[in-house]
Amino acid sequence: DAGVIQSPRHEVTEMGQEVTLRCKPISGHDYLFWYRQTMMRGLELLIYFNNNVPIDDSGMPEDRFSAKMPNASFSTLKIQPSEPRDSAVYFCASSLAGTLDTGELFFGEGSRLTVL
Amino acid sequence: GEDVEQSLFLSVREGDSSVINCTYTDSSSTYLYWYKQEPGAGLQLLTYIFSNMDMKQDQRLTVLLNKKDKHLSLRIADTQTGDSAIYFCAESRVNTGNQFYFGTGTSLTVIP
Repeated sequence: DAGVIQSPRHEVTEMGQEVTLRCKPISGHDYLFWYRQTMMRGLELLIYFNNNVPIDDSGMPEDRFSAKMPNASFSTLKIQPSEPRDSAVYFCASSLAGTLDTGELFFGEGSRLTVL
Repeated sequence: GEDVEQSLFLSVREGDSSVINCTYTDSSSTYLYWYKQEPGAGLQLLTYIFSNMDMKQDQRLTVLLNKKDKHLSLRIADTQTGDSAIYFCAESRVNTGNQFYFGTGTSLTVIP
């Protein structure tokens, strides 16, 4: 299995531009999570989906952030317009309901976003 | 408080034991976890402990849980340079639908 695949690995953009981050979860996994990692705030849960349905988006910082999961094999996290304070590493993770309790979150390698 | 807390940095010499500490918040958490993040990579589950256990040992890793104090620790015996990474503790909070809450991470540096 290829694992959780994220793209792009690195993105540098200018303030005000739209950013789209992509994630392909592990086939068969029914949970998908988006996390943001910064030095100041550590790892923050932004939103998670169960069977493609958003369950909790209370971690999404503000309306500039949106996430979709149109099908079981693809999710996007969009920031529009982007701001310098959005600079972070964004991780996607997936899991099976049956192993969620035992912490089997499988993380992608992350997308490092720099907003100038 | 809301946070899962860890010290930010730990430095040990190769061959020594490392102990990484964590305090968590939800006394009803069913499972507690340790994840490892190597440079430029995502997090990987290292080990977990069920809340009705006090200790779990897995080769060089020993996890200790003190539920009364809400304190979790990870001991790495005979620490190697390959153990240099960021270690996150995490709890799964029952009252939030088993969402995972991660600590800030402890950066372990192993000195040869």
